[in-house]
Amino acid sequence: AQSVAQPEDQVNVAEGNPLTVKCTYSVSGNPYLFWYVQYPNRGLQFLLKYITGDNLVKGSYGFEAEFNKSQTSFHLKKPSALVSDSALYFCAVREGKGGFKTIFGAGTRLFVKA
Amino acid sequence: DSGVTQTPKHLITATGQRVTLRCSPRSGDLSVYWYQQSLDQGLQFLIQYYNGEERAKGNILERFSAQQFPDLHSELNLSSLELGDSALYFCASSTTSGNTYEQYFGPGTRLTVT
Repeated sequence: AQSVAQPEDQVNVAEGNPLTVKCTYSVSGNPYLFWYVQYPNRGLQFLLKYITGDNLVKGSYGFEAEFNKSQTSFHLKKPSALVSDSALYFCAVREGKGGFKTIFGAGTRLFVKA
Repeated sequence: DSGVTQTPKHLITATGQRVTLRCSPRSGDLSVYWYQQSLDQGLQFLIQYYNGEERAKGNILERFSAQQFPDLHSELNLSSLELGDSALYFCASSTTSGNTYEQYFGPGTRLTVT
C-alpha cells in the first residue's frame, strides 16, 4: 500500500537561510510525487511534482525538490527562506500503475523567523 | 484563486442531520476529488470522479456519498452526521484522472456538527 511520511511536525528556520522539509514514501510501483502548500484558511496549492526524468524538480515560489529513489525520499528545499513561506506543507504520492488514490503526508508546519 | 469553487463556506448543523456540499471544478477539468481535513486524521482522500463516473474510493464512510453531474459539478452528501464529522471538506479538480496531473483545490467548506 502507498504511504507517505513527513517526519517533522514543524521546521523552524531564519529568514535568508536555506530550508528543507523532509518526505519519504512507499509505493509498490513507480511513484508520482507532489508537494502542496496550505496557507491559513485556504485550500492547498500545488508547488511542484516529480513524474520522471531529472531528479531535481523546480517549482513555484523558488522551491525545488530532490527525488532520491534509493532513499525513497522527495525533500522540499529552498535556498533562501522568506517569512511569507511560513505555512503548512504537504507531500503526496500517487502510484504509477493502476491506483488513482492520492495519499498525503501528515503535513509539516514551516515557521520562518525574521 | 485556483478556479475551484465550493459552497457553502461554513455549515453548522446538528447531529443526525444531512448536508450537501457543492463543488464546481476549474473550467475544462473533468476529474473531481473530495478530501476531509481534520486535526486528528490529517488530509484524507474520500472519493474521485471522472467525467461523471466514480474512479477511486478512499476512506469514505457509508453515510457519505457523492456524485458528479453532466455539467461536471460535484456534490458530497453527508448523512446521519456525528460530532466526529466536523472537519474541513475540500474539493479538488484536475484535467484528467491520470496520476501525473496535479490537483487544484477549492477553499473548502468548514462543517461543524453540534
